Amino acid sequence: EVQLVESGGGLVQPGGSLRLSCVASGFTFTNVALSWVRQAPGKGLEWVSAIRGDGRSTFYIDSVEGRFTISRDNSENTLYLQMNDLRVEDTAMYYCASPGSRKGYWGQGTLVTVSS
Amino acid sequence: QSALTQPRSVSGSPGQSVTISCTGTSSDVGAYNYVSWFQQHPGKAPQLILFEVTRRPSGVPDRFSGSKSGNTASLTISGLQAEDEADYYCCSYAGSYIYVFGVGTRVTVV
Repeated sequence: EVQLVESGGGLVQPGGSLRLSCVASGFTFTNVALSWVRQAPGKGLEWVSAIRGDGRSTFYIDSVEGRFTISRDNSENTLYLQMNDLRVEDTAMYYCASPGSRKGYWGQGTLVTVSS
Repeated sequence: QSALTQPRSVSGSPGQSVTISCTGTSSDVGAYNYVSWFQQHPGKAPQLILFEVTRRPSGVPDRFSGSKSGNTASLTISGLQAEDEADYYCCSYAGSYIYVFGVGTRVTVV
């Protein structure tokens, strides 16, 4: 059974940092490019960042470029998102997912709240 | 990286069919046959119901079907059921491991 389990969310002040983690199981981790997708309260889904299966290339939406860093540890089957200089508009549920996969890899999400 | 255009809401009676459109550009929907559709019930994570425009994962009823023409993809739900009431999102590959989602459509069963 495929599982993606996110953690690391919480309440942080504007300008602060958080590191999200996503532990995967049930599939060959290195074979799958993974993304972080977020959903602000009451809003739609937004793709945020992606990383190749081998970790050699990373991609971001413009609004987080330079503030967020995606990475992965293939020896630990874990995906990360380091979020710095957080803004109120980054408040959202963050999902670990592979949006284009045939299997529908998608975690249950971790909530990030940026507020003073 | 603009969101794909979807109608904000559609509704239908049980047993009827509804179709949700998803309009992008020649750089995303029009460029690739990698359009997925996700169903999301309140408070739950999205679930894949179609991938590669027309293909259903195992376990998804054949009431859900997809198509694409040019820059517009569509999801049709035939024989609408009460449990189909949810939000639906399209998602297209846009090259270089980048994806773009639709704004989402609320399906109401009246």
